[in-house]
Amino acid sequence: GNSVTQMEGPVTLSEEAFLTINCTYTATGYPSLFWYVQYPGEGLQLLLKATKADDKGSNKGFEATYRKETTSFHLEKGSVQVSDSAVYFCALSDQSGNQFYFGTGTSLTVIP
Amino acid sequence: DADVTQTPRNRITKTGKRIMLECSQTKGHDRMYWYRQDPGLGLRLIYYSFDVKDINKGEISDGYSVSRQAQAKFSLSLESAIPNQTALYFCATSGGFRNSEAFFGQGTRLTVV
Repeated sequence: GNSVTQMEGPVTLSEEAFLTINCTYTATGYPSLFWYVQYPGEGLQLLLKATKADDKGSNKGFEATYRKETTSFHLEKGSVQVSDSAVYFCALSDQSGNQFYFGTGTSLTVIP
Repeated sequence: DADVTQTPRNRITKTGKRIMLECSQTKGHDRMYWYRQDPGLGLRLIYYSFDVKDINKGEISDGYSVSRQAQAKFSLSLESAIPNQTALYFCATSGGFRNSEAFFGQGTRLTVV
């Protein structure tokens, strides 16, 4: 079946530190991969996505590369800001685009 | 206005009461979903609907029911609320294409006392 495993948190970083949140997946066929961000008191917002192997999704300084050989989609940012404090979810959709599977979320706190 | 709107945003109810959470969307999407979020468990799928006449159970449907009143409206009901249904509930929509992402409402925080 399809599933997503992501790095457990919480993660606390100082401002301008490098961020990596690991995500691996299990899926049949060719899923699409997503990172969502949830700010306090809000719903999930799409941060970036990649739809085929070796695609790199990027947005707001965040990047993630679809690695089929390692079934991974790790989220990275070179220099985090206090405003990046949120919960980050890795997710995949199946080949049909009808079902979504989410990781458990990783809470990030960035301190000044 | 938000693309996906949930009402109410917050609700406190008593054990045994029936409660309905409502969701409406302006995306024109056929696919609609209800998820529940609990700390450490991520999002779990309760019910989903691919069109007005197509309703499907998700992984944790026990104790819940849904109604798809129109393409734009998808309601979740708790027939007899219990404390372990205290959670954050999200409605989402999707275009249903292979590369489509899900669009989420802002959530309903439900507390059952």
